[in-house]
Amino acid sequence: GAGVSQSPSNKVTEKGKDVELRCDPISGHTALYWYRQRLGQGLEFLIYFQGNSAPDKSGLPSDRFSAERTGESVSTLTIQRTQQEDSAVYLCASSLQAGSYTGELFFGEGSRLTVL
Amino acid sequence: SQKIEQNSEALNIQEGKTATLTCNYTNYSPAYLQWYRQDPGRGPVFLLLIRENEKEKRKERLKVTFDTTLKQSLFHITASQPADSATYLCAPSRDNAGNMLTFGGGTRLMVKP
Repeated sequence: GAGVSQSPSNKVTEKGKDVELRCDPISGHTALYWYRQRLGQGLEFLIYFQGNSAPDKSGLPSDRFSAERTGESVSTLTIQRTQQEDSAVYLCASSLQAGSYTGELFFGEGSRLTVL
Repeated sequence: SQKIEQNSEALNIQEGKTATLTCNYTNYSPAYLQWYRQDPGRGPVFLLLIRENEKEKRKERLKVTFDTTLKQSLFHITASQPADSATYLCAPSRDNAGNMLTFGGGTRLMVKP
C-alpha cells in the first residue's frame, strides 16, 4: 500500500482478555518497529524487526507482550491477559535500512487500545 | 543509562516569530538525530535528519543544529504559523552505529495568530 496500515484503529477490551494488533508496512521496507504511546506521553520503544535478523525485543515491558513478523511483511503485536495499564496507542513504523543507517520512519495512524 | 530530554512544557509563541525547541541527550553518542512532528490522534511524521558530522541542516522554514559537544540539538521554525502548532519529537539514533531510534517525550508548540 501507499503507507503503513494498522488495524484495528480502536479496540476496547476487558481486563484479562488477549488482543492482537496488526501492522502492514510499506512494501520493500525491511525494518519494522512497534512503539507504545500513553496519553500525553512520548513514544516508548517495544520491539524492532530488521530483515531476517533476530528481532530486538529489549523494549517489551513483560512476557505478556509478544510480536511476530512474517518475512518482510505483516507484523502482529499480541498482548495477553490485558491490564488497564496497557491502555495506550500502539504505533507501528517501517523504514528502509541500508547498512547501519536507519532511514526515516513512516508511521501508521496507530491502534488505540482501551482496557476496561 | 541513555536519556533524552525535551521540554515537557508547551511553547507558546506569536505568529511570525521563530520557535526554538531543544533536545538534550546524555550518556551516549548518536550517529544521527531525526525530528518528527505529531498532530493529535495521528502518527508522527518525519521532518529532518542531521548526522553527527553535520552542524546544521535546513529545509524551507525549518533549521536543525546538532552540537555533539553539548549533546544537544536545536530545532527552529522561522516565520511560524498557526498551522505549525503540533508536538515535535526528537529522535536520536540509539547508538553511534546508527541503529534504531529512541524518542524524546516531545514538546508541544502553540503558535497564536
